[in-house]
Amino acid sequence: ETGVTQSPTHLIKTRGQQVTLRCSSQSGHNTVSWYQQALGQGPQFIFQYYREEENGRGNFPPRFSGLQFPNYSSELNVNALELDDSALYLCASSTGLAGARGDTQYFGPGTRLTVL
Amino acid sequence: SQQGEEDPQALSIQEGENATMNCSYKTSINNLQWYRQNSGRGLVHLILIRSNEREKHSGRLRVTLDTSKKSSSLLITASRAADTASYFCATVNDYKLSFGAGTTVTVRA
Repeated sequence: ETGVTQSPTHLIKTRGQQVTLRCSSQSGHNTVSWYQQALGQGPQFIFQYYREEENGRGNFPPRFSGLQFPNYSSELNVNALELDDSALYLCASSTGLAGARGDTQYFGPGTRLTVL
Repeated sequence: SQQGEEDPQALSIQEGENATMNCSYKTSINNLQWYRQNSGRGLVHLILIRSNEREKHSGRLRVTLDTSKKSSSLLITASRAADTASYFCATVNDYKLSFGAGTTVTVRA
């Protein structure tokens, strides 16, 4: 078990609604990354936050937005939900800029979002 | 789009046998990591191999990396029922992990 927690575990929304997912980083980690994993696929990078600033973004539209707080916890917000947004949303924490230093990312258990 | 591609997509083996899966990728990398995922839950980091390394071991795991062929392999020796999971390779370039679609491994008792 990593020290990364996510809430809620499961969520059901309808098309057009907005959703907020939450992530608490492992102690001592200042970087959080969010991933979307559709059924049967690998995780797709959404964005990364480092010390409260967005550090990079994948191919996701602006209706996917995020925040990182001073305690390094994070939120993922998705507006105007679409059916294709149904997926497992994973957050991962690490120290520093994980990619450049090759640091391991520690994943939370995920939030399963279903859009009807 | 996904950077890495695992092969095979699925693998079924008997307990005690070895399992080998391969990963190919497209662009240059800082390092490559392998993760395990049980039943659609969070990913667990297994092993990291840097671009200047060719082979790495961790317990029953052996990872190789061939940067000239842009490929990596993961070998699990003496498999156990608890090894039943999906395995993903992830390439690291700049700040992000890019995952393949994974190999689903089923270990039969």
